[in-house]
Amino acid sequence: NAGVTQTPKFRVLKTGQSMTLLCAQDMNHEYMYWYRQDPGMGLRLIHYSVGEGTTAKGEVPDGYNVSRLKKQNFLLGLESAAPSQTSVYFCASSYNRDFVIFGPGTRLTVL
Amino acid sequence: AQTVTQSQPEMSVQEAETVTLSCTYDTSESDYYLFWYKQPPSRQMILVIRQEAYKQQNATENRFSVNFQKAAKSFSLKISDSQLGDAAMYFCAYRSSLFQGAQKLVFGQGTRLTINP
Repeated sequence: NAGVTQTPKFRVLKTGQSMTLLCAQDMNHEYMYWYRQDPGMGLRLIHYSVGEGTTAKGEVPDGYNVSRLKKQNFLLGLESAAPSQTSVYFCASSYNRDFVIFGPGTRLTVL
Repeated sequence: AQTVTQSQPEMSVQEAETVTLSCTYDTSESDYYLFWYKQPPSRQMILVIRQEAYKQQNATENRFSVNFQKAAKSFSLKISDSQLGDAAMYFCAYRSSLFQGAQKLVFGQGTRLTINP
């Protein structure tokens, strides 16, 4: 049981490049989330999913797209990276009212 | 929209002493959940304690306890007998009960806790 895993752990992009962050969970959780963490601002919800094939916007969705084609995976895409998207990205999952399980984070730098 | 405020960017405490981290929140809802998360240098987010708003009794988990003041919208974390391993960033978080299963958390800015040996 690996919990929530994120790929990659670190990435450096140039402005305008695209990339996809992969989140995987092996706990059969229905709900999955993407948060970003910036200095002095805590974590903010980007997008979330309440089940396979569904996605919804969170607090800061602009510049990101997501997909949940399989229940165990939740992908976060940046189509045209900007320096403002430099951040640490956390994926998380939960089942109904159970506690949220966070992944280890991905540090993304956009030059 | 709900907001969570942690007014102490940094705190320090001597090992074995007690420290209290402050958190206030703003909401118009009557039913919700509050959490404290710990983030050590490894970046992993670890749930420390949680409180359901409808419960009057303050939650406790070993050396960690909360002081939940619903009318004042205050939710402080007390760490007793501080240990070096408690050094971390601590985040207060809010979750509405309106979203049945989705744990859409609203986080505060965080408080960095240093433990002095």
